[in-house]
Amino acid sequence: KAGVTQTPRYLIKTRGQQVTLSCSPISGHRSVSWYQQTPGQGLQFLFEYFSETQRNKGNFPGRFSGRQFSNSRSEMNVSTLELGDSALYLCASSLDATLNYGYTFGSGTRLTVV
Amino acid sequence: GDSVTQMEGPVTLSEEAFLTINCTYTATGYPSLFWYVQYPGEGLQLLLKATKADDKGSNKGFEATYRKETTSFHLEKGSVQVSDSAVYFCALSAANTGNQFYFGTGTSLTVIP
Repeated sequence: KAGVTQTPRYLIKTRGQQVTLSCSPISGHRSVSWYQQTPGQGLQFLFEYFSETQRNKGNFPGRFSGRQFSNSRSEMNVSTLELGDSALYLCASSLDATLNYGYTFGSGTRLTVV
Repeated sequence: GDSVTQMEGPVTLSEEAFLTINCTYTATGYPSLFWYVQYPGEGLQLLLKATKADDKGSNKGFEATYRKETTSFHLEKGSVQVSDSAVYFCALSAANTGNQFYFGTGTSLTVIP
């Protein structure tokens, strides 16, 4: 079966711009989470959605937002980009609401802000 | 709060050597524990998991046992291969973690022929 698909794979944006990243979870998975990965901070939780509802949000500024659609696809948006937003953004989906079966991750979107 | 502490890297081993990567956790509830592996340029892949105390997760020759008494979930492999070179992450999830995982900082492993 198809895995978690993230698009685009690579992005280069200028400071002050905004960006939208897309994630298509594994078919049947209703939980979608987003993480930011940087060499200095490691993996940091952004938010988690289940059945179109945001259930949890990490400690990121309001410039970071997301949503989930009725088909479980998810998008995250970053407005007013800063240099420090350069990172690998990972989407992960999970079959159930408890997350006890683990995540399946996508390959990520590499965002570079110049 | 909940957290995972993972052995600092990088780790360099010769092929066929024994591997141990230490992982300890702090959790107020009864977490599920995971090891993920990340190859260069890719996302994280689930390597193995354990959902309750004394469970042993295993996959591709890797093993880890959920030790509640020592709050540990150390990753082991008896004989590493060059293809095992990657970054390994220990993680936990629990009912009271607010629907998120807590990841360790990752341990980079390089296996030399």
